[in-house]
Amino acid sequence: QQQVKQSPQSLIVQKGGISIINCAYENTAFDYFPWYQQFPGKGPALLIAIRPDVSEKKEGRFTISFNKSAKQFSLHIMDSQPGDSATYFCAASGETSGSRLTFGEGTQLTVNP
Amino acid sequence: KAGVTQTPRYLIKTRGQQVTLSCSPISGHRSVSWYQQTPGQGLQFLFEYFSETQRNKGNFPGRFSGRQFSNSRSEMNVSTLELGDSALYLCASSLAGRDTGELFFGEGSRLTVL
Repeated sequence: QQQVKQSPQSLIVQKGGISIINCAYENTAFDYFPWYQQFPGKGPALLIAIRPDVSEKKEGRFTISFNKSAKQFSLHIMDSQPGDSATYFCAASGETSGSRLTFGEGTQLTVNP
Repeated sequence: KAGVTQTPRYLIKTRGQQVTLSCSPISGHRSVSWYQQTPGQGLQFLFEYFSETQRNKGNFPGRFSGRQFSNSRSEMNVSTLELGDSALYLCASSLAGRDTGELFFGEGSRLTVL
């Protein structure tokens, strides 16, 4: 019940296209859903996060869509750029989790020029 | 503002040895958590320390331990190393835990066990 399932495992898009990564969770106690971006040789860095009281959050080219009833959330990257090529992780945590994030398996995104 | 600093960045050990990894959090951050990253298991939570107390622990054997000092710096130790312990060990700090949302990760310590 602590798992977060992420898909696809890898994704290739053309420059200017839309990248979509999906995640699903089971634990209804989760109430915080961040996305992290990781470049090779670096640690993950927070990209954008959402809480269940909203269904969508947008920051620049990055949008999280959240469906509480389906227990799913997704990351949309609009106008994808080669510099967006990285591994993306969705994650979730609950109020009593402290800093314990449960991560998805990761999606390796490649944006071709 | 300096980021999270982890040392050493790379190390090679042999089975049965022990290893200590160090993490200096961002100044002012009181929560330090540790994660193990492997290609097969992804990012897995090891433990979290807050004000020198372990606040949360993941599902790892007792060979994995940690501590936090009064200046918030943290160390983790792995004893009796096994081949499967080869991984990138990431430290993350935050102001007071997940309530603030953001964890700031270091670049990790890459451990290879031969």
